[in-house]
Amino acid sequence: NAGVTQTPKFRVLKTGQSMTLLCAQDMNHEYMYWYRQDPGMGLRLIHYSVGEGTTAKGEVPDGYNVSRLKKQNFLLGLESAAPSQTSVYFCASSPNYPYRNEQFFGPGTRLTVL
Amino acid sequence: DAKTTQPPSMDCAEGRAANLPCNHSTISGNEYVYWYRQIHSQGPQYIIHGLKNNETNEMASLIITEDRKSSTLILPHATLRDTAVYYCIVRVAGGTSYGKLTFGQGTILTVHP
Repeated sequence: NAGVTQTPKFRVLKTGQSMTLLCAQDMNHEYMYWYRQDPGMGLRLIHYSVGEGTTAKGEVPDGYNVSRLKKQNFLLGLESAAPSQTSVYFCASSPNYPYRNEQFFGPGTRLTVL
Repeated sequence: DAKTTQPPSMDCAEGRAANLPCNHSTISGNEYVYWYRQIHSQGPQYIIHGLKNNETNEMASLIITEDRKSSTLILPHATLRDTAVYYCIVRVAGGTSYGKLTFGQGTILTVHP
């Protein structure tokens, strides 16, 4: 049981390049989330999904797209990377328990945009 | 979701109890108090949550005041590995906003030898 895994762990992009971050969970969770964390700050929600085939915008969705084609995977895409997207990206998942909302986080992807 | 206020930093001696306060004076009746922590460079980790009763698990205890306007996370015997940023989050369970967490600045807890 690997929990939540993220690929890649590190990436350096040039401005304007595109990339996709992959999040996978093996806990059969319904909900999945993408957050970003800038230095010295708390996490901010980018997009989230409440089930396969569904996605929704979070607090800071601009410049990102997501897809949830399979229940276990949640992809975060940057179509045209900008230096402002330099950050650590965390994926999380949680079960569909009404009064729990316990989220399980991945180890993070450290992205630098030059 | 209700706003929370936490001290920016706290120190604790190894082996002693660490008591981390959180104020949430605008909490609503259907909002829960959650605690997460983030050890340096790692993803956040769920610790505990509660509605109005005190809660305890293998990691910590959560004490919520009777008026629910504040709470305290207690690590009974802090170790060096408990050095982390601790986040107090108040949110509704269920409904269309379920699952989303709003992280503030948190409290940096430093455990000293």
